[in-house]
Amino acid sequence: EDKVVQSPLSLVVHEGDTVTLNCSYEVTNFRSLLWYKQEKKAPTFLFMLTSSGIEKKSGRLSSILDKKELFSILNITATQTGDSAVYLCAADNNAGNMLTFGGGTRLMVKP
Amino acid sequence: DGGITQSPKYLFRKEGQNVTLSCEQNLNHDAMYWYRQDPGQGLRLIYYSQIVNDFQKGDIAEGYSVSREKKESFPLTVTSAQKNPTAFYLCASRKIGLAGRDTQYFGPGTRLTVL
Repeated sequence: EDKVVQSPLSLVVHEGDTVTLNCSYEVTNFRSLLWYKQEKKAPTFLFMLTSSGIEKKSGRLSSILDKKELFSILNITATQTGDSAVYLCAADNNAGNMLTFGGGTRLMVKP
Repeated sequence: DGGITQSPKYLFRKEGQNVTLSCEQNLNHDAMYWYRQDPGQGLRLIYYSQIVNDFQKGDIAEGYSVSREKKESFPLTVTSAQKNPTAFYLCASRKIGLAGRDTQYFGPGTRLTVL
């Protein structure tokens, strides 16, 4: 059975701090790893990672995948209160068209 | 305006009632999905459909039913057999096919509360 585990479960930081969120996976026929940000409602897409070692970057957010060790990290630098959200990672496989989601990391950024 | 719409935004149900949650997309996506999210937890797959008139059970299908009569629409019925239906329900869609696969896009969600 495919499994995705995120850590930590929750995190409280102050504005300006840098955070690293972790996602490990065990997926048969792994294809890609996706990160989403969920505020009050629908998750919004951040990154899709397919290749190992290639960093994807969007502003203060960046992410990288390690297919040998089966994990990904999401980094947020110079955090702002608007970064407060639940961050979800999900693994995609080649066998079907479903994503397996982790339990999420709840990030709170205090002013 | 392209996207995924879900209705209603909030839904209250009495015990023993069936209710149907609507999900429509005009993105011409092939696959559609229903997830359930409980407080402080990730998303769990209820049902998904890759083509019209076909759908498969996800991890927690018991007490739910779906139909896919049109490509654009994938309604979810929460039946009285679902023992603990109070949750946030998210619909998603995705383009799939030989040309490759995109990410899943989510609707705004329906919050269902059983009174």
